[in-house]
Amino acid sequence: EPEVTQTPSHQVTQMGQEVILRCVPISNHLYFYWYRQILGQKVEFLVSFYNNEISEKSEIFDDQFSVERPDGSNFTLKIRSTKLEDSAMYFCASTSHSGGAGNIQYFGAGTRLSVL
Amino acid sequence: SQQGEEDPQALSIQEGENATMNCSYKTSINNLQWYRQNSGRGLVHLILIRSNEREKHSGRLRVTLDTSKKSSSLLITASRAADTASYFCATDRAGANSKLTFGKGITLSVRP
Repeated sequence: EPEVTQTPSHQVTQMGQEVILRCVPISNHLYFYWYRQILGQKVEFLVSFYNNEISEKSEIFDDQFSVERPDGSNFTLKIRSTKLEDSAMYFCASTSHSGGAGNIQYFGAGTRLSVL
Repeated sequence: SQQGEEDPQALSIQEGENATMNCSYKTSINNLQWYRQNSGRGLVHLILIRSNEREKHSGRLRVTLDTSKKSSSLLITASRAADTASYFCATDRAGANSKLTFGKGITLSVRP
């Protein structure tokens, strides 16, 4: 069964360092998302991406964040200068949004980012 | 106010019993979905119900939607220890690229 793949599963970084979180969405999907979940809290939307551009972003997604689809398969989230409060589980999701399936978003297993 | 708030916050039941989890939301929606998350893992899609549907079944899952009350319930029948997880409702609004807005989740513990 096709799945969304995220790497690495765990990333440890020093405050102020840049990190890139990688995702391979399901191959025929067109819409891509990043969400994050701070430990013990709910999942929060960060950004959506379609047709090689950002469709929507949340207040969390400030100038320190960027997304890119560098080739036909990868979808990356970059945090330019990490802060302690960026520590969270980051989830990538994708959907084909075909009319019959509605907006079922398929999630990867997540990358746990620990900022020290 | 928060979109997609579940109750109870935590639920502990015996294997074989039914588990009912509720979700309320504030704004108009296009779809409401339920996801499961095992401890420290990713989100697994369980079931989607559209705003013009009232009830949907999938295996041991039954979801209802009452748009007049802006609420949904997820029923898991004949629960198993493997159903132990956190359950989240998530809503989206009209539009092809609609983000999901999640509730805080319900922690379900099924005792063997």
